[in-house]
Amino acid sequence: AQKITQTQPGMFVQEKEAVTLDCTYDTSDPSYGLFWYKQPSSGEMIFLIYQGSYDQQNATEGRYSLNFQKARKSANLVISASQLGDSAMYFCAMRETNDRGSTLGRLYFGRGTQLTVWP
Amino acid sequence: NAGVTQTPKFRILKIGQSMTLQCTQDMNHNYMYWYRQDPGMGLKLIYYSVGAGITDKGEVPNGYNVSRSTTEDFPLRLELAAPSQTSVYFCASSPRGSSGNTIYFGEGSWLTVV
Repeated sequence: AQKITQTQPGMFVQEKEAVTLDCTYDTSDPSYGLFWYKQPSSGEMIFLIYQGSYDQQNATEGRYSLNFQKARKSANLVISASQLGDSAMYFCAMRETNDRGSTLGRLYFGRGTQLTVWP
Repeated sequence: NAGVTQTPKFRILKIGQSMTLQCTQDMNHNYMYWYRQDPGMGLKLIYYSVGAGITDKGEVPNGYNVSRSTTEDFPLRLELAAPSQTSVYFCASSPRGSSGNTIYFGEGSWLTVV
């Protein structure tokens, strides 16, 4: 079963508008972390934001915020005031704290959402 | 700050050739990982290591081998390259028992098998 699901292959948003990128996850581990990465056309993985499963408040980092709904197992990324430079592929990822009794820290990735920001 | 360094950045291989992707980190991290990213897809775990001398398979290990003789280095070996191994490869590392954003990625290695 997919641990991370991103149902939007592509999204379009006009510059200066807000956009929400969807992510749902599947885990039975009570302790986990959720990540969003940006991958521009140059290919590097750029960390954007992190949410721990026990964090009470939604994470925010500048124009990025994570809408964490634990009961629904969703961790949507909200980008406010989109910029042309935000055009990229965005990946949601999850890190389970325990795997077969060890803290391995590996990430499970979704398939990504290609965001295009137009003027 | 070097972080995680991967070499080579680009490589073209012929079917049946072998090669090693090098990965080194200077942060004294226990955990290291190799991921591959196929076009239009997310990253999938090939192999990982929790410390020197310890390695284990991830989701897609077939056709690859790894070793971890030192904390710093985690090379990925491709034996008998196949077109299905055309991908972008990312090495990553993190400290043991970490939480939060403590996963560091290399810049990626683009491999084409023809």
